[in-house]
Amino acid sequence: DQQVKQNSPSLSVQEGRISILNCDYTNSMFDYFLWYKKYPAEGPTFLISISSIKDKNEDGRFTVFLNKSAKHLSLHIVPSQPGDSAVYFCAAASSYKLIFGSGTRLLVRP
Amino acid sequence: DAGVIQSPRHEVTEMGQEVTLRCKPISGHNSLFWYRQTMMRGLELLIYFNNNVPIDDSGMPEDRFSAKMPNASFSTLKIQPSEPRDSAVYFCASSPTESSGGNEQFFGPGTRLTVL
Repeated sequence: DQQVKQNSPSLSVQEGRISILNCDYTNSMFDYFLWYKKYPAEGPTFLISISSIKDKNEDGRFTVFLNKSAKHLSLHIVPSQPGDSAVYFCAAASSYKLIFGSGTRLLVRP
Repeated sequence: DAGVIQSPRHEVTEMGQEVTLRCKPISGHNSLFWYRQTMMRGLELLIYFNNNVPIDDSGMPEDRFSAKMPNASFSTLKIQPSEPRDSAVYFCASSPTESSGGNEQFFGPGTRLTVL
């Protein structure tokens, strides 16, 4: 039973355009949501997070939106850059525990 | 800051052999996590230590798996005996606080384990 789902295994966008990565969750008790980026042969690195009491958090080119009623969050990257090409994982947090989605591979084409 | 250090980076072993994976967390972090990543199950938490004490080992798949944290700067994950289905990438992560979903976990580069 997947509590965190990323239904799009891959996404391809043109450099300079917006990338939108989506994530759905089932447990309304999660108190934080996080996005991690992973390059090949490296561990995941933290990108941005959002508290469950907020609906938006922005950090430079990265914005995370949370829709609690729909149990949905999204990561917007604008403008997208070739260096953003990586696998993106969303994670839901309850206390110390992170539950990860399966990841979305983003390719930003020059 | 060297980040989380894991060794070895790659391990190839034969079924039945003992495997030991090592992790050095970031200095000052008091929480340590071991994860396993597979194609079928994605990234899953195996065990969580806080202040060197195992708090949650519910993700450890079976008795063949054991983890220790003898001090604040070192942890091991041992598989004995290893089986081909243990082949995966094993990540160690650390974080600076006991529990807070908003605090990021810092991941090491992982150990890619192949059991033949």
